[in-house]
Amino acid sequence: DTAVSQTPKYLVTQMGNDKSIKCEQNLGHDTMYWYKQDSKKFLKIMFSYNNKELIINETVPNRFSPKSPDKAHLNLHINSLELGDSAVYFCASRGTSGMENIQYFGAGTRLSVL
Amino acid sequence: QQQVKQSPQSLIVQKGGISIINCAYENTAFDYFPWYQQFPGKGPALLIAIRPDVSEKKEGRFTISFNKSAKQFSLHIMDSQPGDSATYFCAASKGSGGGADGLTFGKGTHLIIQP
Repeated sequence: DTAVSQTPKYLVTQMGNDKSIKCEQNLGHDTMYWYKQDSKKFLKIMFSYNNKELIINETVPNRFSPKSPDKAHLNLHINSLELGDSAVYFCASRGTSGMENIQYFGAGTRLSVL
Repeated sequence: QQQVKQSPQSLIVQKGGISIINCAYENTAFDYFPWYQQFPGKGPALLIAIRPDVSEKKEGRFTISFNKSAKQFSLHIMDSQPGDSATYFCAASKGSGGGADGLTFGKGTHLIIQP
């Protein structure tokens, strides 16, 4: 049973469209994140969300907005898609394993904007 | 400004050899330093992590060495195997597991283990 699942796995769309990526975790974690991995594989934090508190990386355009309908879900909405938004987007959640908190990643959503 | 610098960008090691990847950080507020392994088409998965109060942590064939004064840490993979071929990311954060700000990643090292 997948701990952090994202849908869709692949998303191809035209410039200017609005799209959403869904993320669900079944680990009972309180904190979830969205990361962006660019074509050079560089991973960068976009958002973290904990108990309705949203922390936004200041470099993220306001066309990107996370929405959390409940503790197990953190969806990513993207408005007016641009070519530069093409990337792999990863959802992650953070929880405790032993004495440490660990971040678990989903398998990613590859977004291609044409 | 890149807060975590990782080298080398790519690395080729013979099977059975030692793979060494280095990272340096700038923010002294970081107190959690994980290494993640990523296979093609998959998400990153935690390999091993260290806190700055210890200088070394070993789990199986994987060892993190940590030098707080130099603000550097490294991953050593002993007896490297073809199955270790992947992209490795070092990361840092304030707070265990990423904290409220998430993980700050290095740019990754593409490791190839030749049989």
